[in-house]
Amino acid sequence: DAGVTQSPTHLIKTRGQQVTLRCSPISGHKSVSWYQQVLGQGPQFIFQYYEKEERGRGNFPDRFSARQFPNYSSELNVNALLLGDSALYLCASSLLPRQGPNSSYEQYFGPGTRLTVT
Amino acid sequence: AQSVAQPEDQVNVAEGNPLTVKCTYSVSGNPYLFWYVQYPNRGLQFLLKYITGDNLVKGSYGFEAEFNKSQTSFHLKKPSALVSDSALYFCAVRDNWNYGGSQGNLIFGKGTKLSVKP
Repeated sequence: DAGVTQSPTHLIKTRGQQVTLRCSPISGHKSVSWYQQVLGQGPQFIFQYYEKEERGRGNFPDRFSARQFPNYSSELNVNALLLGDSALYLCASSLLPRQGPNSSYEQYFGPGTRLTVT
Repeated sequence: AQSVAQPEDQVNVAEGNPLTVKCTYSVSGNPYLFWYVQYPNRGLQFLLKYITGDNLVKGSYGFEAEFNKSQTSFHLKKPSALVSDSALYFCAVRDNWNYGGSQGNLIFGKGTKLSVKP
């Protein structure tokens, strides 16, 4: 079975440009979350989407936006890129956004998109 | 607010020796704890989780973790380290939506680099 897939693998952009990153969840998974991992740090939560609706947002500026499509794939968009946006962007999928207080809520991560802003 | 701390930036172990990677947590309510591993240029791979039940949790690749409520710790362990275990290890806690958090997404520590020498 295919895992979470992300495209592109690598991307180089210049300051001020806009970028779109793509994610396809595991088949049957309906929830997608996006994380930013800056070099030397742990991943930080950006967004969660389920059934095409935003279900959670981390502490990121409005330059960051996302959407989810009927097939549960997702796009992360970042406008007006800054040097500090250089990072590995990870997508994770799960069956549901939350499965009740006693559920495990396992997330499965894709390989990431390495974004470099120059 | 939920948080995890990984006090060691790097752990060095000789092959065949036991290893421990430390993690402490701070949560409101019951903790849902996870360990993930990241190999170079790869996404995160799930190792194990603690939700409820036995304090000793067994996971993938021979890893286990011990949940200690009084010490608010969730240390990752392996009886005999392999060179191939060398990677970046992340401890994470599920954000608690019952206490105003995001929709159950993961909050990660900074990561601990494990180096196993032959």
